[in-house]
Amino acid sequence: QKEVEQDPGPLSVPEGAIVSLNCTYSNSAFQYFMWYRQYSRKGPELLMYTYSSGNKEDGRFTAQVDKSSKYISLFIRDSQPSDSATYLCAMSSNTGGFKTIFGAGTRLFVKA
Amino acid sequence: KAGVTQTPRYLIKTRGQQVTLSCSPISGHRSVSWYQQTPGQGLQFLFEYFSETQRNKGNFPGRFSGRQFSNSRSEMNVSTLELGDSALYLCASSLEANAGELFFGEGSRLTVL
Repeated sequence: QKEVEQDPGPLSVPEGAIVSLNCTYSNSAFQYFMWYRQYSRKGPELLMYTYSSGNKEDGRFTAQVDKSSKYISLFIRDSQPSDSATYLCAMSSNTGGFKTIFGAGTRLFVKA
Repeated sequence: KAGVTQTPRYLIKTRGQQVTLSCSPISGHRSVSWYQQTPGQGLQFLFEYFSETQRNKGNFPGRFSGRQFSNSRSEMNVSTLELGDSALYLCASSLEANAGELFFGEGSRLTVL
């Protein structure tokens, strides 16, 4: 079993839709939860960064962390064609240095 | 502020050769992590360095090695290349206090023939 599970998709939605992306994990030591966005032929860029459980909102993006269920989500409201990218969840703990583990990434297509 | 710089961006090698990839982190960032990205396996953690010390290592064979210099720049080396080493190698830097807040370069795309 992988430490982080993420459905690779692809996920195709019409412009303006609400997108829900999810990951599950098995390591209860993870304390930091992130979502990265990666466009084709580019490195990943950090979208959302959350410590421990709870919600965090940034514009059209909302990240949720449920540590009791080992489940994290990213919601994108009013999705745009420019949101078409691969979204990677990531998790880490800071015990003995950084080791951030990534999910497989979900490819999202937003159709105009 | 300049981002993470990786060189070379593209390279082609043959089996059995070795390769060295370079990474310059964001100024002030002392942690550098390396990842291998392939379509089948996604982003896989190679190693993380801080102040010239390797603090964490992923599950890769000993052919994969790295180091960090006193100016925080980092290199990774892959010896005796295999076809399966073809991948995008990504370097990321971060501040010590912000575990997981990684800033990635655009990667070095290695093709092994």
